[in-house]
Amino acid sequence: AQSVTQLDSQVPVFEEAPVELRCNYSSSVSVYLFWYVQYPNQGLQLLLKYLSGSTLVKGINGFEAEFNKSQTSFHLRKPSVHISDTAEYFCAVSSLKGYQKVTFGTGTKLQVIP
Amino acid sequence: EAGVTQFPSHSVIEKGQTVTLRCDPISGHDNLYWYRRVMGKEIKFLLHFVKESKQDESGMPNNRFLAERTGGTYSTLKVQPAELEDSGVYFCASSQGKFNSPLHFGNGTRLTVT
Repeated sequence: AQSVTQLDSQVPVFEEAPVELRCNYSSSVSVYLFWYVQYPNQGLQLLLKYLSGSTLVKGINGFEAEFNKSQTSFHLRKPSVHISDTAEYFCAVSSLKGYQKVTFGTGTKLQVIP
Repeated sequence: EAGVTQFPSHSVIEKGQTVTLRCDPISGHDNLYWYRRVMGKEIKFLLHFVKESKQDESGMPNNRFLAERTGGTYSTLKVQPAELEDSGVYFCASSQGKFNSPLHFGNGTRLTVT
């Protein structure tokens, strides 16, 4: 069984400030890791994914995430946020084997303050 | 290419009524998934089709939910009879291939049972 924990339900941050959204996971097998973003009134969109290789993954819109196996974490970061980054962000995992049955966290709402 | 399309975008029904949600995946995507998000909670897996076959329906809450994918194209999710706890946002996603293929999500159907 897999689980994903996003401890922060809401994160307010001023425009142009850096932000980190935290994600921890639990799994008995090796996993793929993802961050999805949901803008208001839209579906989920893939931000980035970690499959293997370099633990620092770069995604769209200037976001990046770092996989830390020892801490079972996959925190999302951006050095300078924009108003347009206001959205809900979901961390997710899936097992390496078989089809992509994804387990999501509860989401973190990022509110960028002008 | 056209994205994943879901219909309707919103549905308000009374307890005991029937509702049918529809999902049109991206053309050529064999994998089709249904997910549900109850307000404030995580996005939960409901079931997975590979073409017209149910690959995994372990997330279906109970036998009031019936999913079909005739011909391996669009899918429907019927709730009959609807209960208050069925309220939430129902997402459909599709993907091509196995393992790390990204999920493409629709905008979701917001179901409110009163």
